[in-house]
Amino acid sequence: SQELEQSPQSLIVQEGKNLTINCTSSKTLYGLYWYKQKYGEGLIFLMMLQKGGEEKSHEKITAKLDEKKQQSSLHITASQPSHAGIYLCGSTMKGSGTYKYIFGTGTRLKVLA
Amino acid sequence: DAMVIQNPRYQVTQFGKPVTLSCSQTLNHNVMYWYQQKSSQAPKLLFHYYDKDFNNEADTPDNFQSRRPNTSFCFLDIRSPGLGDAAMYLCATSRSGGYTFGSGTRLTVV
Repeated sequence: SQELEQSPQSLIVQEGKNLTINCTSSKTLYGLYWYKQKYGEGLIFLMMLQKGGEEKSHEKITAKLDEKKQQSSLHITASQPSHAGIYLCGSTMKGSGTYKYIFGTGTRLKVLA
Repeated sequence: DAMVIQNPRYQVTQFGKPVTLSCSQTLNHNVMYWYQQKSSQAPKLLFHYYDKDFNNEADTPDNFQSRRPNTSFCFLDIRSPGLGDAAMYLCATSRSGGYTFGSGTRLTVV
């Protein structure tokens, strides 16, 4: 099983609709990062959450971290076609002996104009 | 500007011909990572260096090797690329929880 599981795997919404993407960890989260990626391109850093209960917003995107639930959510308000892409969460996990940085399973978002 | 640079941006190699991808950083970060990202999938960690200590993921094929001759450079060697190794390869660095990613190298195997 994946250490960082995202849901849904893919999402198609009509422009103007709100949506939420979840990232759930099987282990303790040491900070949680959200990225966006257009097809074939590098990662665009969106937000970093470090403390339980922390919430950050940038333009129409809001991310929250629930440390107790080992979960983070990314909420987009009034979605636009420019929001389309793959959304990835990332976190530091304790491996065998060292910490490592891994990504969630990804959520592919399509916004219909 | 301090950054993580991956060269080349696009690499085409022949089936079975060894290929090396490079990553350099000016951030003086002590940790460097290599990820493989196949089409429509999330990046998958291949291995990482914590300073000079090499940490291989259990499911990383033996075909993939890495070298880190100094703090600034890290190489990904694919000894005998197969068609299934075609992917975007991402390099990242970190220090004390801050992460920086390169733009990636897209590898095509023909």
